[in-house]
Amino acid sequence: AQSVAQPEDQVNVAEGNPLTVKCTYSVSGNPYLFWYVQYPNRGLQFLLKYITGDNLVKGSYGFEAEFNKSQTSFHLKKPSALVSDSALYFCAFFPRGGADGLTFGKGTHLIIQP
Amino acid sequence: DSGVTQTPKHLITATGQRVTLRCSPRSGDLSVYWYQQSLDQGLQFLIQYYNGEERAKGNILERFSAQQFPDLHSELNLSSLELGDSALYFCASSAYGGRQAYEQYFGPGTRLTVT
Repeated sequence: AQSVAQPEDQVNVAEGNPLTVKCTYSVSGNPYLFWYVQYPNRGLQFLLKYITGDNLVKGSYGFEAEFNKSQTSFHLKKPSALVSDSALYFCAFFPRGGADGLTFGKGTHLIIQP
Repeated sequence: DSGVTQTPKHLITATGQRVTLRCSPRSGDLSVYWYQQSLDQGLQFLIQYYNGEERAKGNILERFSAQQFPDLHSELNLSSLELGDSALYFCASSAYGGRQAYEQYFGPGTRLTVT
């Protein structure tokens, strides 16, 4: 079955350090991949997407992600973490290859320590 | 603020009851999606409507149904409620094409508690 995996339940990073939140995918064809962030008691916010084109995708709030076909990964990165980046991050994809419902990974809690 | 609105914010009801959750998409978005978020199941896609027509179905129970009205707002109806239906229900909307193609914008959610 097609899926995305977020291997870490929680990632801890010191403020100012670079951060990486990992996502690997098992998707047939050309995957449409997304990152969303959820702050406590809030809805999900779109961060960035990979549809086609450049493997390095830039998104909101200074985040970026690199699509790596050989490693089937789509890790989320930021050069310098802020305490306000602390939240729950989801990797997602379209399982049917079209713009219908997203399938999400289980999420990774990102904790930025001051 | 995503521009997607959901009402009510919280809903507490008893087992066996029926509730209706309402969603208004972003201005101009024709697609509406419903998702359920729970601790044991995570985030699950339920159903999608596009311009009033059902477009895709996910893990939606037969006790649940949805519709999208001519003004593009959508309602999710949950009936014969069980304790396990307690969850956060999100609505999302998306544009058909353009720069924001494929991006879904989520509302703040409705927290349903079934007692």
